Parts: sequence; structure tokens; C-alpha cells
Amino acid sequence: DQQVKQNSPSLSVQEGRISILNCDYTNSMFDYFLWYKKYPAEGPTFLISISSIKDKNEDGRFTVFLNKSAKHLSLHIVPSQPGDSAVYFCAARVDTNAGKSTFGDGTTLTVKP
Amino acid sequence: NAGVTQTPKFRVLKTGQSMTLLCAQDMNHEYMYWYRQDPGMGLRLIHYSVGEGTTAKGEVPDGYNVSRLKKQNFLLGLESAAPSQTSVYFCASRDQVNQPQHFGDGTRLSIL
Repeated sequence: DQQVKQNSPSLSVQEGRISILNCDYTNSMFDYFLWYKKYPAEGPTFLISISSIKDKNEDGRFTVFLNKSAKHLSLHIVPSQPGDSAVYFCAARVDTNAGKSTFGDGTTLTVKP
Repeated sequence: NAGVTQTPKFRVLKTGQSMTLLCAQDMNHEYMYWYRQDPGMGLRLIHYSVGEGTTAKGEVPDGYNVSRLKKQNFLLGLESAAPSQTSVYFCASRDQVNQPQHFGDGTRLSIL
């Protein structure tokens, strides 16, 4: 039973347009959600997060939206840049539980110049 | 700014051999984690530690052991390597709640 799902293995967008990456979860106990970005041969790096008490968090070109009733979150990148091309992982956790994160399988974003 | 350092970066083992992967962090973080990532999949938690001298099982602990004798180091051991353990292993550390994990660059392990 996969508790965090990223249903799109890949996404291709044109430079300057919006990239929307989606993530669904099943465990209603999750109270903190994170997005990580991963380049080849490197470890994941933290991008942006959101607490379950919020429905939106913005950081520069990156915005994460949380819809608790639908158990869905999304990452918006505007405008997309070629350097954004990477694998994006959605992660969720219960923050009282030693911070153990459950990860989705990732979405490979390709931004074309 | 070293952050999280994993040693070695690559290793090839034969079935049945043993080895230890080392993770070192210089951020004085309490929490440390070992994950494995297989092709097309997300990271799966093997073991974790909430502080020096503590360890606990994660999602996929079988075939692995860990130790955290010093706060800055978290060791992952394979006592008898199996081909199913071929993977990329990531170590991560974290400070307090509502903080993200900091990852190392991974150890690519192949078992023949």
C-alpha cells in the first residue's frame, strides 16, 4: 500500500511556462509535506514544504498547494527554467514520529529551452 | 560546508561479502536516516536513529544493521550481501521538528 503517490513519472514543459507536479497521499495522519529536487548522481535537496494547517506556501518561483480534503498536494514552478530539469520527490510525514518521511516515486521534469 | 558525507561513493561486492557504509554529518543533528533507492522508485527507509546510541527499524530493515556510537556518524552494515541489495543508498540527517532532511550524495552499491 503506497501511502504517497506521484502518478506522473515524467513531465515536459517549455521554458517560461508553468510546471505543475502532483502528489496524492492516503494517510490522514500526515501533517507535514515536503518537496525535494534531485539531480543525477546527487542526493535529494529540499525545495519547499507545507504544514497541514496551511493550504499554500510560496517561495520565489515555487508554490506548494495542499488540499487536505482531497489528500492532494501540488508543486507549481513559474516560470520554469532549464535548470529546473530534475527528479522531484514528494514526501510526507507525521512530525511526532521521529520525522520519518514517506516518499513518492518521483516525477522527472524536463524543461525545454 | 560538508553537510552529510557518505563513504564510499561506489562499491562492487560479491554475494555473501560484508561491508559497512559510513555516513558523517557535521551539523550536530539529532536524527539520522538510511534510505535505499531502486530504479523508478522513491526512497525507502531502512533504519533510523533519533540520537546517539539509538537505532530503530524502518520500512525495509531486513539484511541490514546499523550503529550510532557517535552523534555525527551513522553506519549501515550488510553482513551477507545479496543481489537484491543492489541499490543506491542515501543517508540523511535532520535537526528538530518541521525541518527538512539533509541528504548525502549517495553510495552506489552493486552486488554480483
